[in-house]
Amino acid sequence: KAGVTQTPRYLIKTRGQQVTLSCSPISGHRSVSWYQQTPGQGLQFLFEYFSETQRNKGNFPGRFSGRQFSNSRSEMNVSTLELGDSALYLCASSTGWTSGMWYEQFFGPGTRLTVL
Amino acid sequence: EDKVVQSPLSLVVHEGDTVTLNCSYEVTNFRSLLWYKQEKKAPTFLFMLTSSGIEKKSGRLSSILDKKELFSILNITATQTGDSAVYLCAVEEDSGYALNFGKGTSLLVTP
Repeated sequence: KAGVTQTPRYLIKTRGQQVTLSCSPISGHRSVSWYQQTPGQGLQFLFEYFSETQRNKGNFPGRFSGRQFSNSRSEMNVSTLELGDSALYLCASSTGWTSGMWYEQFFGPGTRLTVL
Repeated sequence: EDKVVQSPLSLVVHEGDTVTLNCSYEVTNFRSLLWYKQEKKAPTFLFMLTSSGIEKKSGRLSSILDKKELFSILNITATQTGDSAVYLCAVEEDSGYALNFGKGTSLLVTP
């Protein structure tokens, strides 16, 4: 079974620009979560989608948004980029709640975003 | 205030040593605690713990959860240089659909 894939793997942008990152979950997984990882803050939750609905959002400004498509693929968008947005953006997928059990999240390789 | 606290933050050991990594948490409605290993790439899943006192094992790695004292430990026996990585602990709350991560423990195993 193919793992979680993320595109692009590396991205360089300048302040003020916007960026869209893509995540394709493991086949059959309907839950997709996004995380930002920086050296100072570690891994921080951005948002989670299940069947095209955002169920939870982390403590990030409105410049960070996302969506999920009917095939469970997800995108996240960051508008008006700031230097502090430079980070590794990780996507994770899970089956969620299935047959009376919660299942673990599996991470993709991440997109390394550098804002100049 | 951090919901998940890991200790130590970093650790250097010799090959063959046994290490214990700690994770304490404070969340309202606990659902599960997960351990991940992160090398220079995405975190890879190690264990998911939901019940107290039940040890999970995978080769030289094992982990246990204490829901009364709100902590978990990850043990690695007979460490190898390939165990060098950052070990992340994450806690999921019942209504959150989100993982709250600790800052991680950076483990370096020297030959």
